[in-house]
Amino acid sequence: GAVVSQHPSWVICKSGTSVKIECRSLDFQATTMFWYRQFPKQSLMLMATSNEGSKATYEQGVEKDKFLINHASLTLSTLTVTSAHPEDSSFYICSARALGAPGTEAFFGQGTRLTVV
Amino acid sequence: AQTVTQSQPEMSVQEAETVTLSCTYDTSESDYYLFWYKQPPSRQMILVIRQEAYKQQNATENRFSVNFQKAAKSFSLKISDSQLGDAAMYFCAYKDTGNQFYFGTGTSLTVIP
Repeated sequence: GAVVSQHPSWVICKSGTSVKIECRSLDFQATTMFWYRQFPKQSLMLMATSNEGSKATYEQGVEKDKFLINHASLTLSTLTVTSAHPEDSSFYICSARALGAPGTEAFFGQGTRLTVV
Repeated sequence: AQTVTQSQPEMSVQEAETVTLSCTYDTSESDYYLFWYKQPPSRQMILVIRQEAYKQQNATENRFSVNFQKAAKSFSLKISDSQLGDAAMYFCAYKDTGNQFYFGTGTSLTVIP
């Protein structure tokens, strides 16, 4: 299957700093990428949908000024957590869909564990 | 929004035995797609199996098969000859013809040696 690479796998940052997470589709073009947040033993919570060349669509309750998403190319989307606080500590996962049929499954990155201290 | 329900937070199965994980969903659409994803301790989401709603035949991938009941809006996953490596969280997911995926709350599967 297609490969989605997410980097970094884990990061620890100080409260008040910003952290950037990258999501790359390695062998396919992705017009749409999704960013999820997952708390321990819970399901994936969609944060935003990222479309190449346009603004991201955020889910209700997600602060777009805090979670900045950029989808500058068909293979790269980034999520920047600005002015991170301990409550932002979580597991963040990106996924991407390849161009093509609507039934195409989403391919997931490895996830990023963010710890804010 | 669509809803996906997994009513079994935890399941266990003896190695080499068969287990069935339940999933129901709510939709008014006639054309959609259903998926089962596996999330092992590494937390990498892995596609297990996919079903197109317009297909009556149940999807099968080696030891994994589904029982898709469109009228009942049910999509269960059967794992045959369970192996230790099958231990993971399993998420049922629904997708319409748009972009968005809707995930269930997951079922944690334990495989007993």
